[in-house]
Amino acid sequence: GENVEQHPSTLSVQEGDSAVIKCTYSDSASNYFPWYKQELGKRPQLIIDIRSNVGEKKDQRIAVTLNKTAKHFSLHITETQPEDSAVYFCAAGPYYGNNRLAFGKGNQVVVIP
Amino acid sequence: NAGVTQTPKFQVLKTGQSMTLQCAQDMNHNSMYWYRQDPGMGLRLIYYSASEGTTDKGEVPNGYNVSRLNKREFSLRLESAAPSQTSVYFCASTGASGGVSGELFFGEGSRLTVL
Repeated sequence: GENVEQHPSTLSVQEGDSAVIKCTYSDSASNYFPWYKQELGKRPQLIIDIRSNVGEKKDQRIAVTLNKTAKHFSLHITETQPEDSAVYFCAAGPYYGNNRLAFGKGNQVVVIP
Repeated sequence: NAGVTQTPKFQVLKTGQSMTLQCAQDMNHNSMYWYRQDPGMGLRLIYYSASEGTTDKGEVPNGYNVSRLNKREFSLRLESAAPSQTSVYFCASTGASGGVSGELFFGEGSRLTVL
């Protein structure tokens, strides 16, 4: 089955700087890649997702890039703010798969004011 | 709209006891899911229900049973709890239809401790 790995496990950035989290996946058949944000003690929430028919997607300060050849995708957060501090989970799976996704173990992002 | 509601939020069980986690959504979603979240392990799918009347195993189904009671409700049952089932459990639903993967709407989570 699909195996998703996230790097680094913890990332500290100064407020205003950019943060990049990278995920690798193993199954070349995966074509749907969402990112979820989970604040401390809260539920996970979708922040952005991408399908394999596009290489990049952007929504305000966040963007996701996908490299299907290398089987990795990355989350980019620009102009980080304290409210960006959270655990970020990437996931991979088939778009026509009823959310049968494999999640990564999560990245803790800490934005230092 | 309340979204996805789970009960109970906290539960302590002794090994061998049984319990049911309840989940209800008011978004008229077809598909519902149960995940468990363990430290450093991400989210792992236990069972899901693509539509009312159907259920399927996920990545870690052993030790669990589910019931899709109606379109709104999807319950998770632990018949004989084990310490390895200590975890935070999340119910989720999606409005995506036709088998398409889409945004998951999660409940607040249920923290279960098995002694």
